[in-house]
Amino acid sequence: GAGVSQSPRYKVTKRGQDVALRCDPISGHVSLYWYRQALGQGPEFLTYFNYEAQQDKSGLPNDRFSAERPEGSISTLTIQRTEQRDSAMYRCASSGKAQETQYFGPGTRLLVL
Amino acid sequence: KQEVTQIPAALSVPEGENLVLNCSFTDSAIYNLQWFRQDPGKGLTSLLLIQSSQREQTSGRLNASLDKSSGRSTLYIAASQPGDSATYLCAVRPGGYQKVTFGTGTKLQVIP
Repeated sequence: GAGVSQSPRYKVTKRGQDVALRCDPISGHVSLYWYRQALGQGPEFLTYFNYEAQQDKSGLPNDRFSAERPEGSISTLTIQRTEQRDSAMYRCASSGKAQETQYFGPGTRLLVL
Repeated sequence: KQEVTQIPAALSVPEGENLVLNCSFTDSAIYNLQWFRQDPGKGLTSLLLIQSSQREQTSGRLNASLDKSSGRSTLYIAASQPGDSATYLCAVRPGGYQKVTFGTGTKLQVIP
């Protein structure tokens, strides 16, 4: 079956612009995670959804970052007023239930000029 | 705050050698630990998931062990192959929470 998909795969934007990154989890997976990964580092947790409920957003760096999953399936991570330090790979993962194996998407590479 | 360390950061071995990758974590109150591999420019692929009540998991040539009390996990790769070359990451999930903490990874190169 289809895995986790993310779009766009690459995004180049100018400082100050808003960006929206999309994640389409594996069908039926109730848990969805967002991570940010800098080059040479492991993924850093941003936020977690159980169905449509955002149960943990402790990893979001500041209030320019927000995420939603309104129907418990597709999720969008939005970064407002982007800054150069936001440049990174943004990864999404899903799992069938909380605390089970996570399956990762290919990521969205964001470059803020 | 959970901290996860992976040593060594990089490892180069000849093909056919058995090898061990290490993962250490500071807070032993974990729910499970997962090992991933990451290929350059690609996503993460799950290898093994060990629950806190388990001591090891095996999949093919891979064996992962968990010692919660000492805060350590090891990933054993038998008879390494060039196709095993990748970065290996461990990820620790705390009990009752979903904030998974990843290590920085071990970059493995298997030389033919």
